Amino acid sequence: NAGVTQTPKFQVLKTGQSMTLQCAQDMNHNSMYWYRQDPGMGLRLIYYSASEGTTDKGEVPNGYNVSRLNKREFSLRLESAAPSQTSVYFCASSLPTVLNEKLFFGSGTQLSVL
Amino acid sequence: KQEVTQIPAALSVPEGENLVLNCSFTDSAIYNLQWFRQDPGKGLTSLLLIQSSQREQTSGRLNASLDKSSGRSTLYIAASQPGDSATYLCALQTGANNLFFGTGTRLTVIP
Repeated sequence: NAGVTQTPKFQVLKTGQSMTLQCAQDMNHNSMYWYRQDPGMGLRLIYYSASEGTTDKGEVPNGYNVSRLNKREFSLRLESAAPSQTSVYFCASSLPTVLNEKLFFGSGTQLSVL
Repeated sequence: KQEVTQIPAALSVPEGENLVLNCSFTDSAIYNLQWFRQDPGKGLTSLLLIQSSQREQTSGRLNASLDKSSGRSTLYIAASQPGDSATYLCALQTGANNLFFGTGTRLTVIP
């Protein structure tokens, strides 16, 4: 029962470096999300994908890009990392964008930008 | 914008006690409210989901209530156990892809 799988679990970057966070789900969910979690703040939505081939901005999209490669995979890319992007990143998925459906989360990626 | 508050930020109780975690919100126009559990270094696990038309949901020792008129939800945990130690977050859904999270209450159950 893999559920939502994120890689890597930890990453340290220097300012200006780029990287891609990978996420895959095996529950045949249509909707996928990227959140960041910072101390003292609730989780904030970066980007989401309601279905394969579509992506939309969330609350805090600046500095990020996403790709919905197929129904299973949704990646998050930092083109030029900044210290303000130091955070824990979570991928999540849910059944087709229907209200009142539970979210399933990956275990997170802890990212530090020096 | 929806504001979600969870007080206290941390709570310690002895094993066996019943306890209540609180979640308050500013806008009652919601579709549902979810309670999540987060263990250190792990992702979130959905515990209970209360739809807007419902007043409460129960799962085992957990009972969640929703009062939209007062902008409050509570998560009641009966007969707490050390394994219940975790951070509990509430989240409100206001649209298909709009989910607003609180900052959580870190619960420690002391054996």
